[in-house]
Amino acid sequence: DIHMTQSPSSLSASVGDRVTITCRASQNIINNLLWYQQKPGKAPRLLISVASNLQSGLPSRFSGSGSGTDFTLTLSSLQREDFATYYCQQNYSIPRTFGQGTKLEIK
Amino acid sequence: EVKLVESGGGLVQPGGSLRLSCAASGFTFSNSWMSWVRQAPGKGLEWVANIKQDGSYTNYVDSVKGRFTISRDNTKNSLYLQMNSPRAEDTAIYYCVKGGGSFDCWGQGTLVTVSS
Repeated sequence: DIHMTQSPSSLSASVGDRVTITCRASQNIINNLLWYQQKPGKAPRLLISVASNLQSGLPSRFSGSGSGTDFTLTLSSLQREDFATYYCQQNYSIPRTFGQGTKLEIK
Repeated sequence: EVKLVESGGGLVQPGGSLRLSCAASGFTFSNSWMSWVRQAPGKGLEWVANIKQDGSYTNYVDSVKGRFTISRDNTKNSLYLQMNSPRAEDTAIYYCVKGGGSFDCWGQGTLVTVSS
């Protein structure tokens, strides 16, 4: 199984900050990496597919990059509604696996 | 609008059985891989199983193999998860998800609690 490791596990930031979350795969997954956002009590929402493809209708302050084993999710200017938990996930192989999550909190 | 609505969750005893259902609308269900993803209370996301468009191919996470069965009825636009011999560690919110690997639409989830 491919193990996905996110860092940090939690992060405190302020509105307007730029933050970066990293995700490392235990083996080369090329660009088969997705990012999700989950708010408390809600289902996750797909943000980014194929490592860097922002889903339609989402603000451009979200961006993804990386390939191989190392990936990043960047939020360029945090808004209040961005405080949530973020997960990476690989769809290179079965079983599909997620990172442990990064909880982004207001400082 | 794509919509996925799960049902069938609840309290089940260890070793019992439970069947989850998911009603899909707003897209061509028969053209889409479908999956179940779960989330234990206060924990992260875990993919459980997926199924090909025509139901001919399925995959499972090792921890549920031989106990859970994913299936679908394209005539009813419905996805199912038959949970046999559940264990306490299967307690979670179960999400019905559109996609086999890229999960672009999620239901609201149904809570399954395995306890005696």
